[in-house]
Amino acid sequence: DTAVSQTPKYLVTQMGNDKSIKCEQNLGHDTMYWYKQDSKKFLKIMFSYNNKELIINETVPNRFSPKSPDKAHLNLHINSLELGDSAVYFCASSQFGDTIYNEQFFGPGTRLTVL
Amino acid sequence: GENVEQHPSTLSVQEGDSAVIKCTYSDSASNYFPWYKQELGKGPQLIIDIRSNVGEKKDQRIAVTLNKTAKHFSLHITETQPEDSAVYFCAAYYLLGRLYFGRGTQLTVWP
Repeated sequence: DTAVSQTPKYLVTQMGNDKSIKCEQNLGHDTMYWYKQDSKKFLKIMFSYNNKELIINETVPNRFSPKSPDKAHLNLHINSLELGDSAVYFCASSQFGDTIYNEQFFGPGTRLTVL
Repeated sequence: GENVEQHPSTLSVQEGDSAVIKCTYSDSASNYFPWYKQELGKGPQLIIDIRSNVGEKKDQRIAVTLNKTAKHFSLHITETQPEDSAVYFCAAYYLLGRLYFGRGTQLTVWP
């Protein structure tokens, strides 16, 4: 069974469009994350939600809006797509830890290409 | 925030040799240091981790060392195999789930 799943796996779109990426986890975790991996493989955290509440927003442009309908799902909606948004987006999940780290499990990624 | 530096960016070794990847971090508040392996077309997967109150940890062919004073930590892979070829990331855990990654090391193991 897939622990963290993302759809779609590939997304090709034109500049200026709006698109969404969906993520689901079946691990029973209460915290979910979005990461962006650029063309040089640099992996950077974007957002984190704990029990549907936003707890991390790492200075991401307002065009990116995460939404968590329940603690098993975290979707990412991107408005007015730009060339620089082209990247691989990873969803991850874990049990919440304030000062204690709990392993983050990553999904397979969504490769977004903006033309 | 935390800044994690990772070296080298690429590493090629012969099968059976050892591989060492080194990382430094900037914030002494970081207390947990996981290492992730990312195979082509897949998401990162945890391979080993170390907490700040431990100096060394080993799991079969993989070991990690931590020097808190110098803010250095390293991954050691012995008896490398072709299936070890992947991108390896070090990371430092800050607060509230903030995981800061190094820029990755592309490890290639030649048969």
